[in-house]
Amino acid sequence: QSVLTQPPSVSGAPGQRVTISCTGSSSNIGAGFDVHWYQQLPGTAPKLLIYGNTNRPSGVPDRFSGSKSGTSASLAITGLQAEDEADYYCQSYDSSLSGSVFGGGTKLTVL
Amino acid sequence: QVTLRESGPALVKPTRTLTLTCTFSGFSLSTSGMCVSWIRQPPGKALEWLALIDWDDDKYYSTSLKTRLTISKDTSKNQVVLTMTNMDPVDTATYYCARGQGGYPTRFDYWGQGALVTVSS
Repeated sequence: QSVLTQPPSVSGAPGQRVTISCTGSSSNIGAGFDVHWYQQLPGTAPKLLIYGNTNRPSGVPDRFSGSKSGTSASLAITGLQAEDEADYYCQSYDSSLSGSVFGGGTKLTVL
Repeated sequence: QVTLRESGPALVKPTRTLTLTCTFSGFSLSTSGMCVSWIRQPPGKALEWLALIDWDDDKYYSTSLKTRLTISKDTSKNQVVLTMTNMDPVDTATYYCARGQGGYPTRFDYWGQGALVTVSS
């Protein structure tokens, strides 16, 4: 069971907007630690998608955005495209565990 | 250009010790704020953070695996080594090394392609 909770799956039609939630607690997200998001295409290594809650690395389309509030964070994807079909993971730091933690991952299906 | 590459045995027998090497280029682990982490992913499952070493040789370990893990670096060779003792079939996973910067805790901005390790007799 992951410290950060994500929905196992989400889906949307091309062009639509989807959001993926990441729920933590007072020892991680709620303690003010940053949330980062990764995209993992089938058979490949994870790729940093959002860092520091809201920032996009160079080359990541602005269709991807992140937000954080209280003990939760969210990843939003607008203008959904077939190539967005992948697994998405949130990551933060947990002070009780004194280490990095990942969410359980969310599989995005583009209908 | 930052690259990382994991190397090590593809097959390990139960109870044995696994040694994985991460060889990187495009940055130096002697630069302030730099770090390298190990993360694994069992087949079909989620990512699990294992360990991290930073430029100052500070080391951090997953609480649940701390007694079995050792991370070390060879700055001159641009390598980070992870050893995991007493391997079990549940440790079968793809093992990734990844770079972080800006001090720990941090995000992981570059990842290796991963090394699949199967634990079986």
